[in-house]
Amino acid sequence: AQKITQTQPGMFVQEKEAVTLDCTYDTSDPSYGLFWYKQPSSGEMIFLIYQGSYDQQNATEGRYSLNFQKARKSANLVISASQLGDSAMYFCAMREGRDDKIIFGKGTRLHILP
Amino acid sequence: GAVVSQHPSRVICKSGTSVKIECRSLDFQATTMFWYRQFPKQSLMLMATSNEGSKATYEQGVEKDKFLINHASLTLSTLTVTSAHPEDSSFYICSAPRIGTQYFGPGTRLLVL
Repeated sequence: AQKITQTQPGMFVQEKEAVTLDCTYDTSDPSYGLFWYKQPSSGEMIFLIYQGSYDQQNATEGRYSLNFQKARKSANLVISASQLGDSAMYFCAMREGRDDKIIFGKGTRLHILP
Repeated sequence: GAVVSQHPSRVICKSGTSVKIECRSLDFQATTMFWYRQFPKQSLMLMATSNEGSKATYEQGVEKDKFLINHASLTLSTLTVTSAHPEDSSFYICSAPRIGTQYFGPGTRLLVL
């Protein structure tokens, strides 16, 4: 079974609009961490935001926020005021327990339209 | 600035040759590093965990004799693709954990002719 599910293979959003990228996860470990990475066409993996399972508040980093709904096992990324430079692949990822390794979802390709 | 580097960024080789890819943590020590492979339009697939001072841990389905990993120091891990074949052509990317997150190298594009 997939541990990280991203159901949107691609999305088209108008510039300056907010966008939500979906991510659900599956784990039985009470301690885990959730990540979002951006991968532009160059291939580099850019860390965006992190949410720990015990964090009480939703993580925010500038225009990025993580809508963490623990009971639903959901960790959606919200990008406010989208920009053309936001066009890229976005990956949701998870770390379980004390293990540092992270596994990735299939990704969502985001296209920002001018 | 980059905290994890990889070398080379691109490599083209003939079938049957071996290729070594280096991954370095630039300003921190990493007792553990990770190696991923990414085929076009697909996600990153974890290949193995590189452990300083001990053997690498390979994910299911990854041939340890084909993908040799050596964690030579606290800042360097190498991945050697032995007897490379065209199906090994891919984007290889390493990562190192630091302060609760993972930093990724810029990746290496391998093309085997």
